[in-house]
Amino acid sequence: SQTIHQWPATLVQPVGSPLSLECTVEGTSNPNLYWYRQAAGRGLQLLFYSVGIGQISSEVPQNLSASRPQDRQFILSSKKLLLSDSGFYLCAWSAANTEAFFGQGTRLTVV
Amino acid sequence: GQNIDQPTEMTATEGAIVQINCTYQTSGFNGLFWYQQHAGEAPTFLSYNVLDGLEEKGRFSSFLSRSKGYSYLLLKELQMKDSASYLCAVRGGNYGGSQGNLIFGKGTKLSVKP
Repeated sequence: SQTIHQWPATLVQPVGSPLSLECTVEGTSNPNLYWYRQAAGRGLQLLFYSVGIGQISSEVPQNLSASRPQDRQFILSSKKLLLSDSGFYLCAWSAANTEAFFGQGTRLTVV
Repeated sequence: GQNIDQPTEMTATEGAIVQINCTYQTSGFNGLFWYQQHAGEAPTFLSYNVLDGLEEKGRFSSFLSRSKGYSYLLLKELQMKDSASYLCAVRGGNYGGSQGNLIFGKGTKLSVKP
């Protein structure tokens, strides 16, 4: 069966510090991978999606970036965090047009 | 553009039935999904509709009308543990491009009272 792992679960980082969140999927090949952010009281905002290794598309302009160095690994990064980057970050995977399955999420607080 | 609308909050009584509506406008359509999200947790998949009609899964049912851009999630025999946010999501057309991604509504927070 397929599983998705995302870590860390919680993170407190100072403004201006770098960020690296990692997500890995097991039990499937060539998954479509997504990073979403959910700010307090708001909906899920799609940040990045990837249909293959090295193929990253950004949905919104921001100071975040994503990379897919391996088929089942998706990384969300920032060089310098802003206060507005605080939120609940969710990695997800899907196969073709099927439903998306989410990781446990990372609650990021920028202080 | 793409837009998904659902009520912000709803309240219902334990044992009752509740219907959560969702309307959408997207570029193309490749399916509508409902997710449940408890506070502080990741969303979990509930149902999927791609053709018009009703899909039933135990206490949960989901309905779709593509011509009206409308769906609803029906929860029967409500339990206290059903208190959560319910997210409507649509996969647009042109899969592989940005329009084929899963776009979420802001969610409906359901409170189940004794």
